[in-house]
Amino acid sequence: DAGVIQSPRHEVTEMGQEVTLRCKPISGHNSLFWYRQTMMRGLELLIYFNNNVPIDDSGMPEDRFSAKMPNASFSTLKIQPSEPRDSAVYFCASSLETITEAFFGQGTRLTVV
Amino acid sequence: KNEVEQSPQNLTAQEGEFITINCSYSVGISALHWLQQHPGGGIVSLFMLSSGKKKHGRLIATINIQEKHSSLHITASHPRDSAVYICAGRYSTGNQFYFGTGTSLTVIP
Repeated sequence: DAGVIQSPRHEVTEMGQEVTLRCKPISGHNSLFWYRQTMMRGLELLIYFNNNVPIDDSGMPEDRFSAKMPNASFSTLKIQPSEPRDSAVYFCASSLETITEAFFGQGTRLTVV
Repeated sequence: KNEVEQSPQNLTAQEGEFITINCSYSVGISALHWLQQHPGGGIVSLFMLSSGKKKHGRLIATINIQEKHSSLHITASHPRDSAVYICAGRYSTGNQFYFGTGTSLTVIP
């Protein structure tokens, strides 16, 4: 298996623009997590899905952030409009519910200028 | 209050030294996940444990449920072990992880 695949690896955008991050979880995994990592706050859970349904989005910073999982093999995290303080590395991870270990993608480094 | 606390924050060791990284966690966390983040940023899962001890190569992870404490040990450390080590706790009632702030390890040749 190729592991969790995220795209793009790097994104530079101007403030106010819409940004969409993409994630393909490991086939067969039914839990998917979106995390954000910054120097100041470390790793933070933004939202997670179980069987394509959002379970806990309490970590989503504000209404500018939204996440979807239209099917078991694809999820998006959208920021609209983006702001410089959104600059961070965004990780996607997936796990099989009965096996608690989570596997991480390589991350998307977002820079908002 | 942080659900998961790690120590030390930074650690420098000579090649060959035995290294221990500690993680304390809150009541209700039933599993501990140890992760390694390489200088390039990628995150690798090392161990997931809810009791006892696990070993993989030179890495050993232990957990003491009564004391709510877990340790990650590295034997015969090597410069390629230099990375940030993160522990994350998972509550039995949910599916999400709560992360420690990480321990930055540097192993000097």
